[in-house]
Amino acid sequence: QVQLQESGPGLVKPSETLSLTCAVSGDSLISYYWTWIRQPPGKGLEWIGNIYYSGSPNYNPSLKSRVTISVDTSKNQFSLRLNSVTAADTAIYYCARSLDERATIGGFDYWGQGTLVTVSS
Amino acid sequence: DIQMTQSPSSLSASVGDRVTITCRASQNIDTYLSWFQQKPGNAPKNLIYIASSLQRGVPSRFSGSGSGTDFTLTISSLHPEDFATYYCQQSYSTPLTFGGGTKVEIK
Repeated sequence: QVQLQESGPGLVKPSETLSLTCAVSGDSLISYYWTWIRQPPGKGLEWIGNIYYSGSPNYNPSLKSRVTISVDTSKNQFSLRLNSVTAADTAIYYCARSLDERATIGGFDYWGQGTLVTVSS
Repeated sequence: DIQMTQSPSSLSASVGDRVTITCRASQNIDTYLSWFQQKPGNAPKNLIYIASSLQRGVPSRFSGSGSGTDFTLTISSLHPEDFATYYCQQSYSTPLTFGGGTKVEIK
């Protein structure tokens, strides 16, 4: 059974860096794309970006200047860093898996449970 | 970016009702559309991809149709566990974008 688990600080100060990790169990990172999606409390979903285990990351242009997604195959996990955060970055952050870059075939088939990150001083 | 517009934003229905939710893309996205169900406190669950392909394990009362710019999600007979918020998402091009959601409430 594939499982994804997000982890990281639940509270980040404005202007600092948000850092999250998604640990994958039950399968290898290899041959899949790995995605971060966020959802402000009570609002809709926003695609942050994705990465293939060996390829270049692909970011949402709205966040591109502040975001970094990386992968660590030795630990079977991938990570998100978002710089210079503001209150607008307060959201539930989800990690998810797909077979291809745009999640066309099979969609996002596995998701983490999500982790709430609050940006506040 | 491709804008996704869902309607209605909310609806009230009874168990056993047939429910239809629509999603419109701001440009042609062929059949590159997925549907998700989200219950409070849970991650979204992928129901349908490529407009009409049912994700494994999803009940057959869920179906999707459409191509180009107009799409629909239909629940043929609403079950109690179907009360949730539903989102569409285009996978035609990045950035991937989602509709604003349709909340299905108990009448």
